[in-house]
Amino acid sequence: DAGVTQSPTHLIKTRGQQVTLRCSPKSGHDTVSWYQQALGQGPQFIFQYYEEEERQRGNFPDRFSGHQFPNYSSELNVNALLLGDSALYLCASSLGSRGTEAFFGQGTRLTVV
Amino acid sequence: GEDVEQSLFLSVREGDSSVINCTYTDSSSTYLYWYKQEPGAGLQLLTYIFSNMDMKQDQRLTVLLNKKDKHLSLRIADTQTGDSAIYFCAEGGQGGKLIFGQGTELSVKP
Repeated sequence: DAGVTQSPTHLIKTRGQQVTLRCSPKSGHDTVSWYQQALGQGPQFIFQYYEEEERQRGNFPDRFSGHQFPNYSSELNVNALLLGDSALYLCASSLGSRGTEAFFGQGTRLTVV
Repeated sequence: GEDVEQSLFLSVREGDSSVINCTYTDSSSTYLYWYKQEPGAGLQLLTYIFSNMDMKQDQRLTVLLNKKDKHLSLRIADTQTGDSAIYFCAEGGQGGKLIFGQGTELSVKP
């Protein structure tokens, strides 16, 4: 049983560029949430997707957008990258938008130079 | 508002018990969680407790919840060097969103 998988594992981008990160949820899960973890900090909630719609959003600008596909996988897009967007981006999956257990992927390490 | 606080560091000797503490602010949280993060890795769900419980035990892990003081603790019995990691407390907010603390770095010395 595959857990949550994220791709790519590492990425280097230049300021102003755009990036797309991908997540496949754990088998049987239908809800995907994205978190940003800056170095030395706890993860910060970006948004959650359920039934292909954004259900909840944290305190992140519109440069951060997402999508969920019919097979429940999800993408996180970040436009106009800033140096401060450098972080570990974590995807979590759960069953239902109020699922009790959220399982995390290994994350994508994004470096903006 | 929503806020979760943890002490940043804890150092123990192998074989001792470790106690990691956390305070939270949102009294409407339904579940409280403990996650473990090893260097360069994602988060591993260790255990969680429903907000109407006082205690939950799972092998070497014991979670204590004091709802009145909004205080959560994680006790690891017989701590091993493999337990060295960062431990995050999180509260389950509305709609399944998780609010994390800054993490407690546990160092286990042989």
